[in-house]
Amino acid sequence: QLQLQESGPGLVKPSETLSLTCTVSGGSISSSSYYWGWIRQPPGKGLEWIGSIYYSGSTYYNPSLKSRVTISVDTSKNQFSLKLSSVTAADTAVYYCARRKVLLWFGEGYMDVWGKGTTVTVSS
Amino acid sequence: QSVLTQPPSASGTPGQRVTISCSGSSSNIGSNTVNWYQQLPGTAPKLLIYSNNQRPSGVPDRFSGSKSGTSASLAISGLQSEDEADYYCAAWDDSLNGKVFGGGTKLTVL
Repeated sequence: QLQLQESGPGLVKPSETLSLTCTVSGGSISSSSYYWGWIRQPPGKGLEWIGSIYYSGSTYYNPSLKSRVTISVDTSKNQFSLKLSSVTAADTAVYYCARRKVLLWFGEGYMDVWGKGTTVTVSS
Repeated sequence: QSVLTQPPSASGTPGQRVTISCSGSSSNIGSNTVNWYQQLPGTAPKLLIYSNNQRPSGVPDRFSGSKSGTSASLAISGLQSEDEADYYCAAWDDSLNGKVFGGGTKLTVL
């Protein structure tokens, strides 16, 4: 059974870079038709898509975050990672990693397996 | 302000049928499929409906989805106490070139 697990610091200082890793177990990150992505949820608020990556390195990013986001993949470790630079308190959230099943093209798909999420607080 | 508009709350009694709406535009719901996610308190979201009206295996047939024009709906029949959760709609937006979510609807089972 495929499982995703987020890991990384729970506290990040303002203006620094948030770094998280998602480890995939029970399946290969190199599977075709699947992208791997990040979604966040600020306290008491809704979901926001951050971006996704294919095992080949092809990426899609939320345009509103694109200038600060980098998502990378390490197929040898079955992991993918998120880096969000110049963080502020507004980046405080629960960060989820998820698998995205892609149908005809990237826009047509859905996130069918999610990690449990990790809380990241931005504070000095 | 979310790109997709959902009512912030909905409620029903056990056994009732409840619908949750999701309103968008021609650049998202009007031209792409809609997914629905259920988020139980304190847990990660779970895929409930994909491609407008398809249920993943394991999701009860009490849950159904539909789409018409630039709006979509999630219907829950035979409401149960364990259905109390937040529900989110989502779709790709061609103008924004990104995936967008609704603001979420908190369903209360009275």
